[in-house]
Amino acid sequence: NAGVTQTPKFRVLKTGQSMTLLCAQDMNHEYMYWYRQDPGMGLRLIHYSVGEGTTAKGEVPDGYNVSRLKKQNFLLGLESAAPSQTSVYFCASSRAPGTGSTDTQYFGPGTRLTVL
Amino acid sequence: AQSVTQLGSHVSVSEGALVLLRCNYSSSVPPYLFWYVQYPNQGLQLLLKYTTGATLVKGINGFEAEFKKSETSFHLTKPSAHMSDAAEYFCAVSKAAGNKLTFGGGTRVLVKP
Repeated sequence: NAGVTQTPKFRVLKTGQSMTLLCAQDMNHEYMYWYRQDPGMGLRLIHYSVGEGTTAKGEVPDGYNVSRLKKQNFLLGLESAAPSQTSVYFCASSRAPGTGSTDTQYFGPGTRLTVL
Repeated sequence: AQSVTQLGSHVSVSEGALVLLRCNYSSSVPPYLFWYVQYPNQGLQLLLKYTTGATLVKGINGFEAEFKKSETSFHLTKPSAHMSDAAEYFCAVSKAAGNKLTFGGGTRVLVKP
């Protein structure tokens, strides 16, 4: 199993450009998450999904959109990138509650995004 | 709202010495508590977690943590540091199974030979 994979690994954008980050998991997990990691701030939740076709806002959702059209994929979009969105983005997935092993989240390797 | 505070953004230890990373949390309900480790240029990996039951939790790579409700703490320890322990460590809390994680700011551990 590949676990959680993310593409691309690195990206440089100019202010105002758009892009989509792709997260894929092969563990049949119901829940998926997008976080951003900034120095000294740990990871902050951007958006999450509790199942195919459903998404919800996290702690820092502004400037981002997400879609979960397939259970195994969770896309994060930036419609008009800003320098403040320079960060490392992590995707994670987990089982739904009550399905065995509790709520361990499995993380992808991250995408390093720079917005100039 | 939940919050997590990790004391010390950087910790330096000698190889073979005790590793102690501090984590305090605030939560209005009994929490689920986690420690994750991040090696350079990698994603996060679960070290250990507390959900219910025994308050002393053992994890991978010789780490353990103790949940102390009265102190709202979940400190991480390892008796003898190894060079391979150099990484960043994150404490996290959630309200219940399957709920969203709130992370602390992280503690970067440097191990000196």
